Amino acid sequence: AQTVTQSQPEMSVQEAETVTLSCTYDTSENNYYLFWYKQPPSRQMILVIRQEAYKQQNATENRFSVNFQKAAKSFSLKISDSQLGDTAMYFCAFIFNNNDMRFGAGTRLTVKP
Amino acid sequence: DTGVSQNPRHKITKRGQNVTFRCDPISEHNRLYWYRQTLGQGPEFLTYFQNEAQLEKSRLLSDRFSAERPKGSFSTLEIQRTEQGDSAMYLCASSLGVGQFTEAFFGQGTRLTVV
Repeated sequence: AQTVTQSQPEMSVQEAETVTLSCTYDTSENNYYLFWYKQPPSRQMILVIRQEAYKQQNATENRFSVNFQKAAKSFSLKISDSQLGDTAMYFCAFIFNNNDMRFGAGTRLTVKP
Repeated sequence: DTGVSQNPRHKITKRGQNVTFRCDPISEHNRLYWYRQTLGQGPEFLTYFQNEAQLEKSRLLSDRFSAERPKGSFSTLEIQRTEQGDSAMYLCASSLGVGQFTEAFFGQGTRLTVV
């Protein structure tokens, strides 16, 4: 079974600090993609960053970066210089060969001023 | 607005009634997904279309649920004989996939309340 696990239901961080959200997944597939999505309160889900499993280099998008450990099936998200607008639910997602995209249960991140 | 559009945004219905939701994907996107999200949880996969073909259905999608995507454009999700447990946010997403995976863009969802 393909599963995605986010073990941190809630996290908080002070503005301008760095925070890391964890995600692990389970699959027997070799070709897949991983994503972090952000869902602000009462707003739609938007993509934060994506990682192709065949790429060894970790993806980076401005203040957001991932630590992708394929052997350990781990895909954590690091947010640097946290801003108040980063307050949201963050979902780790995984898509594999049959195009079925699965999500973790989410981590609620609060950035405190 | 060229994003994914879902209608209605909110729906309140009595238990036992049928409801239908609509999703208009980004026009050139060939893939369309339906998810259900309950409060504080991640989206649960319901079904997926590539063009007009429904390629996968979750076992969450009981026989009371049906989805269509005629002509590979908009999609509808119908729930028959609604139950209180059907109360949730129903999310639609679309993506353009030509031999590779691409970003899925989400709509704002339809919030269903069954009373």
